[in-house]
Amino acid sequence: SQTIHQWPATLVQPVGSPLSLECTVEGTSNPNLYWYRQAAGRGLQLLFYSVGIGQISSEVPQNLSASRPQDRQFILSSKKLLLSDSGFYLCAWSETGRGEQYFGPGTRLTVT
Amino acid sequence: GQQVMQIPQYQHVQEGEDFTTYCNSSTTLSNIQWYKQRPGGHPVFLIQLVKSGEVKKQKRLTFQFGEAKKNSSLHITATQTTDVGTYFCAGPRTGNQFYFGTGTSLTVIP
Repeated sequence: SQTIHQWPATLVQPVGSPLSLECTVEGTSNPNLYWYRQAAGRGLQLLFYSVGIGQISSEVPQNLSASRPQDRQFILSSKKLLLSDSGFYLCAWSETGRGEQYFGPGTRLTVT
Repeated sequence: GQQVMQIPQYQHVQEGEDFTTYCNSSTTLSNIQWYKQRPGGHPVFLIQLVKSGEVKKQKRLTFQFGEAKKNSSLHITATQTTDVGTYFCAGPRTGNQFYFGTGTSLTVIP
């Protein structure tokens, strides 16, 4: 069966520090991968999605970037965090041609 | 641009009462999905509707897709405390991307 992992679960970082969040998927090949951000009590904002290695589409570039160095690995990064980057970051995957998305447990990021 | 709006934003019900959340799109959708997010958790896929007028049931949950494929609803009969959470609908946009609705937060009062 397929599983999706995200780490870390929680993170507290100072303003201006770098960020690296990692997501990996097991049990499937060539998944579509997504990064979402959810502010407290709010909906899901799509940040990036990827249909294959090295293929990244950006929805909200700002100061975040994403990379997909391997088929089932998706990384969210920032060189310098802003206070507004605080939130709940969710990675998700879906099969090509199928709509339903499966979410990881998420990372709660607090920028202080 | 395409948007998926949900109402209400919040709903408090007594345990045993029914609950309905509505999802409306500005454009016709090829399909619509529903997700549930428990407090502190991540969204979990519930169901996908594809056909015009489609109705699907999962125990006490009934999902409907409108005839024009622009709206959908989720109805929960006789709510239980385990139903607490935020319910999101999601409609497709280009490629493999989806618009998520604003969500309806359900509180069930025991």
